[in-house]
Amino acid sequence: GAGVSQSPSNKVTEKGKDVELRCDPISGHTALYWYRQRLGQGLEFLIYFQGNSAPDKSGLPSDRFSAERTGESVSTLTIQRTQQEDSAVYLCASSLLLAGGGGTDTQYFGPGTRLTVL
Amino acid sequence: KQEVTQIPAALSVPEGENLVLNCSFTDSAIYNLQWFRQDPGKGLTSLLLIQSSQREQTSGRLNASLDKSSGRSTLYIAASQPGDSATYLCAVSGNQFYFGTGTSLTVIP
Repeated sequence: GAGVSQSPSNKVTEKGKDVELRCDPISGHTALYWYRQRLGQGLEFLIYFQGNSAPDKSGLPSDRFSAERTGESVSTLTIQRTQQEDSAVYLCASSLLLAGGGGTDTQYFGPGTRLTVL
Repeated sequence: KQEVTQIPAALSVPEGENLVLNCSFTDSAIYNLQWFRQDPGKGLTSLLLIQSSQREQTSGRLNASLDKSSGRSTLYIAASQPGDSATYLCAVSGNQFYFGTGTSLTVIP
């Protein structure tokens, strides 16, 4: 079946503009994650949606970052008033939640959105 | 806060050699540990997932072990091939998800 898809694949924007990144998870996956990877650095957790529970937003770096998810479908990550430091690849992943509160199953990653802030 | 460390940061081996990548984490209260592969300019590919109750997982030439009490995992790659060249990341799942910075592997033909 179809994997995780993200759009756009590349985004170039000017400093101060708002951007919206989209993630389409694998159908039926109740958990969805956003990560950021700056050039030459490791992955940085941003936010985690888990079924109908309140999302874990503890990784969002500032109040310029927000994310939404409608039900178990598409998620959008919005960055307001972009800064050059926001330039990175933004990765989305989805997975099933294991029954009984045992965490999550294998995460499947999308190809990412490369954001460049000029 | 959970900290995940991967050693070595980079590794270069001749084709056919067996190799071990290491991952350590500071908080043993995890749900699972996952190994990923990242190719340049591409997203991550999941290789192996080990639940906290498991000791190891195998897939083809890959074998991953987990010692939760000591906070360690190893990824063993048998008979390495040039196509194995990539960055290998481990990630632990607790209340959040924590990634190591990866090991960049180059397999020389």
